[in-house]
Amino acid sequence: DAGVIQSPRHEVTEMGQEVTLRCKPISGHDYLFWYRQTMMRGLELLIYFNNNVPIDDSGMPEDRFSAKMPNASFSTLKIQPSEPRDSAVYFCASSFGNGGYTFGSGTRLTVV
Amino acid sequence: AQSVTQPDIHITVSEGASLELRCNYSYGATPYLFWYVQSPGQGLQLLLKYFSGDTLVQGIKGFEAEFKRSQSSFNLRKPSVHWSDAAEYFCAAAPVSGNTGKLIFGQGTTLQVKP
Repeated sequence: DAGVIQSPRHEVTEMGQEVTLRCKPISGHDYLFWYRQTMMRGLELLIYFNNNVPIDDSGMPEDRFSAKMPNASFSTLKIQPSEPRDSAVYFCASSFGNGGYTFGSGTRLTVV
Repeated sequence: AQSVTQPDIHITVSEGASLELRCNYSYGATPYLFWYVQSPGQGLQLLLKYFSGDTLVQGIKGFEAEFKRSQSSFNLRKPSVHWSDAAEYFCAAAPVSGNTGKLIFGQGTTLQVKP
């Protein structure tokens, strides 16, 4: 298995632009999680899905953030419009039940 | 409330010395327990996990962890640290029942290795 695949690895965008981060979970995993990591706040859970259905989006910071999981093999996290304070590393992780996460390599987002 | 605590924010050890990273959890019942490592610029990698059974768990890269129910602890150990072990280490827990899939992470411990 190729693991959890995230794209792009790096994204630099200008303030106000739309940003879309992508994630392909491990086949057969029924949970998908989106995290954000910064030096100041550490790891923050943004949203997670179970069987493609959003379960808890209370960590999504603002309406500018949205996430979708149209099928079991793909999820997106969109920021529109982006702001400099959104600069962070965004991780996707998937799991089967409570078996623990497998993380992707992350997307480093820089908004200038 | 359920929580995971890593009391040490930063630890420095000499190469070749032994290592112990502390982790305490607060749950109604014993949760599933995990240790992850994050090297600079990388994602989090699973080192080991405890579900049940033998309280001493072996993981990758020569790490082990011991579950102690009486102390609500799951400390990570390594007998001899290598310079490549310098990284951030996260302890995490998930409830056994309820099957939410969601892990609760500790704040992380940054390990620095002196030559």
